[in-house]
Amino acid sequence: NAGVTQTPKFRVLKTGQSMTLLCAQDMNHEYMYWYRQDPGMGLRLIHYSVGEGTTAKGEVPDGYNVSRLKKQNFLLGLESAAPSQTSVYFCASSWDRVHYGYTFGSGTRLTVV
Amino acid sequence: TQLLEQSPQFLSIQEGENLTVYCNSSSVFSSLQWYRQEPGEGPVLLVTVVTGGEVKKLKRLTFQFGDARKDSSLHITAAQPGDTGLYLCAGANAGGTSYGKLTFGQGTILTVHP
Repeated sequence: NAGVTQTPKFRVLKTGQSMTLLCAQDMNHEYMYWYRQDPGMGLRLIHYSVGEGTTAKGEVPDGYNVSRLKKQNFLLGLESAAPSQTSVYFCASSWDRVHYGYTFGSGTRLTVV
Repeated sequence: TQLLEQSPQFLSIQEGENLTVYCNSSSVFSSLQWYRQEPGEGPVLLVTVVTGGEVKKLKRLTFQFGDARKDSSLHITAAQPGDTGLYLCAGANAGGTSYGKLTFGQGTILTVHP
């Protein structure tokens, strides 16, 4: 099925370790986003991209980096994981920002111990 | 920072009852989107409303965008257990450097008992 694919689905990291979350979409969407979802905090935007080769900071970018080398892929990196980064991470993509809504992946549940 | 207040936070009802979820803000939005999320999955788009006063229907679900484009509601008629889930509203910023950026409400957890 067409859509947004996230890998891995689950991951446990030790404090200080690094990892990269992968997001791939096959809908030719220009816009891609990384969110984190925490109980009581809702969905918060980490970073986003308005096209291949471009990235921008969202609400909670500290401790994360992103890259969009290819239009279909958006990578989220954690350089030195901290327990505060324990969360569920969602990638999303869209045709535009206003009219068409977002297509979300199924999420990555990350635990940092 | 634009905020979206969603209410109620929790809703537990019996099958067949009607319900309304509200999404309110003091800010104007370009559009208002509603999503439904099931445990272990990402949010799935239900509808986007763009014009002030717009009403959209999706089977038993009715979505309304306020005339001033600051609020929205979701009404479910004759709720069924399959409607159980987390409902999220999200507003797209109307202008400036944050144009189109989505602001999410905190969500409403709906449980429909058979």
